[in-house]
Amino acid sequence: GENVEQHPSTLSVQEGDSAVIKCTYSDSASNYFPWYKQELGKRPQLIIDIRSNVGEKKDQRIAVTLNKTAKHFSLHITETQPEDSAVYFCAAARRGGADGLTFGKGTHLIIQP
Amino acid sequence: ETGVTQTPRHLVMGMTNKKSLKCEQHLGHNAMYWYKQSAKKPLELMFVYSLEERVENNSVPSRFSPECPNSSHLFLHLHTLQPEDSALYLCASSQEGHTNTGELFFGEGSRLTVL
Repeated sequence: GENVEQHPSTLSVQEGDSAVIKCTYSDSASNYFPWYKQELGKRPQLIIDIRSNVGEKKDQRIAVTLNKTAKHFSLHITETQPEDSAVYFCAAARRGGADGLTFGKGTHLIIQP
Repeated sequence: ETGVTQTPRHLVMGMTNKKSLKCEQHLGHNAMYWYKQSAKKPLELMFVYSLEERVENNSVPSRFSPECPNSSHLFLHLHTLQPEDSALYLCASSQEGHTNTGELFFGEGSRLTVL
């Protein structure tokens, strides 16, 4: 089955700086890669996703890049703000739907004022 | 109510108790899920009901028993649990099919403590 590794487990950055979270996956047939954000005491919510037919996707201050050859994908957050503090989960799935998602362990992002 | 709602939000039970977690989705989705969230572990998929059919997950102990009476409701029946089953249990729903977006919509979770 699929195995998703996520690093780092904790990331502390100064407000205004950029943050990068990296994930690798094992199943070369995976073609859908979402990122979820979970604020303290709240539910996980999708913030951005990418499918294997593109290499990069941006939405305002967040972007995701995908390298299919190396089987890794990354989340980039620029101009970090206090409300970006949360746990971020990457995931991978084969069929492009939610019913086959394998999640990483999560990254606790801390934005220092 | 909108989205995905879970009850109870908190549950404390002894190892010999029987209890149930309830999930309801108001999004018109055709798939529902139970996930287990433990500290420093990935979100673990326990059960999937897609188009009201259960996708088996052989790694989940039989002390957890799901029930999906219709596409909007999902239950997780708990019986003779162990302390290591203490965790946050998240319900989610999605729309699966050729027009799916792949997005999971989660509930707030049920925090379970087994004494």
